[in-house]
Amino acid sequence: AQSVTQLGSHVSVSEGALVLLRCNYSSSVPPYLFWYVQYPNQGLQLLLKYTSAATLVKGINGFEAEFKKSETSFHLTKPSAHMSDAAEYFCAVSDGGSGTYKYIFGTGTRLKVLA
Amino acid sequence: DTEVTQTPKHLVMGMTNKKSLKCEQHMGHRAMYWYKQKAKKPPELMFVYSYEKLSINESVPSRFSPECPNSSLLNLHLHALQPEDSALYLCASSQLGGGFQETQYFGPGTRLLVL
Repeated sequence: AQSVTQLGSHVSVSEGALVLLRCNYSSSVPPYLFWYVQYPNQGLQLLLKYTSAATLVKGINGFEAEFKKSETSFHLTKPSAHMSDAAEYFCAVSDGGSGTYKYIFGTGTRLKVLA
Repeated sequence: DTEVTQTPKHLVMGMTNKKSLKCEQHMGHRAMYWYKQKAKKPPELMFVYSYEKLSINESVPSRFSPECPNSSLLNLHLHALQPEDSALYLCASSQLGGGFQETQYFGPGTRLLVL
């Protein structure tokens, strides 16, 4: 069974500082990994996804993630945090087959950006 | 247009009421999903429809009854709910055919309170 683990349920950074949100996966097959962001009282928005085409994936809003097979990781980074980045971030792995796929979500990391 | 719409935004219901949640997308997607999200938790998959047929039911209690009347619409009928069913209910859709790397697009959710 596939799974993802997000280390750190809460992360605080200063505005302008590096953002690093951690996600490790467990998968017996090459994983397909996603990062979503959820702002308060809203749905989830895709930030980026790994599909094996490239190990460094660039997403929206200046975020990127690097797939490292040796470390079974897919950490999310942003060079300079902005106040508007404060939100909940979910890492997910795609699971399933026979034409029906589903996400397995991590427990989420709440990012707080300090002025 | 990558929009999934959900109505109503908020719903308060008693334990003896019958209500329905509605989800709509016009992206031509052939897979639609219902998720339940409790506060500070990741979304939990409830149901998946593929080509208007129920393909996944994650052992959801029968007081939740999904319906997919056509490829653009997804309903969730609610009856005799319990207070612990209070949550944010998210709808999502995806194209189908993309396999494991398929992106799900989420609606803003319906916040349900059961009294």
